[in-house]
Amino acid sequence: SQTIHQWPATLVQPVGSPLSLECTVEGTSNPNLYWYRQAAGRGLQLLFYSVGIGQISSEVPQNLSASRPQDRQFILSSKKLLLSDSGFYLCAWRVTGHSPLHFGNGTRLTVT
Amino acid sequence: GEDVEQSLFLSVREGDSSVINCTYTDSSSTYLYWYKQEPGAGLQLLTYIFSNMDMKQDQRLTVLLNKKDKHLSLRIADTQTGDSAIYFCAEFGMDSSYKLIFGSGTRLLVRP
Repeated sequence: SQTIHQWPATLVQPVGSPLSLECTVEGTSNPNLYWYRQAAGRGLQLLFYSVGIGQISSEVPQNLSASRPQDRQFILSSKKLLLSDSGFYLCAWRVTGHSPLHFGNGTRLTVT
Repeated sequence: GEDVEQSLFLSVREGDSSVINCTYTDSSSTYLYWYKQEPGAGLQLLTYIFSNMDMKQDQRLTVLLNKKDKHLSLRIADTQTGDSAIYFCAEFGMDSSYKLIFGSGTRLLVRP
């Protein structure tokens, strides 16, 4: 069966420090991969999605970036964190077509 | 652009039925989804409905779809305290079959 791993679960980082969040999927190949951010426990904002290795679509211009170095690995990065980057970051995957998204457990990021 | 709207809050007594409503804008949506998020956790897929259906029932959950009014609802029968969570409806975006667009979420509080 397919599983998704996202880490770390919580992270506290100072303003101006770099960020790297990692997400991996097991049990499937060539998944669509997604990064969402959820602020204040409410709605989800799509940040990036990827339909294949090296293919990244950015939805919101900001100081975050994403990379997909391997088929089932999706990384969210920043060179310098801002206070406004605090939030709950969720990775998700799905197979192609209109199949539903399956989410990881999320990373709670606090920028101080 | 596409938009998905939900009421923010619903409070019910344990044992009553809960009805969570959602309106969407993309008439070409093929699948519509309901997700549940418990505190501090990722999103869990609850159920989904294909656009050629009016209703789908899955144990205590009933999904109703009114395509004419672009209205989707989730009914939870015999609501339990464990049903307290945030519920999100979602549809695929008009300009991309890759982007799942979420509503802002409805916080359901079940009172004992």
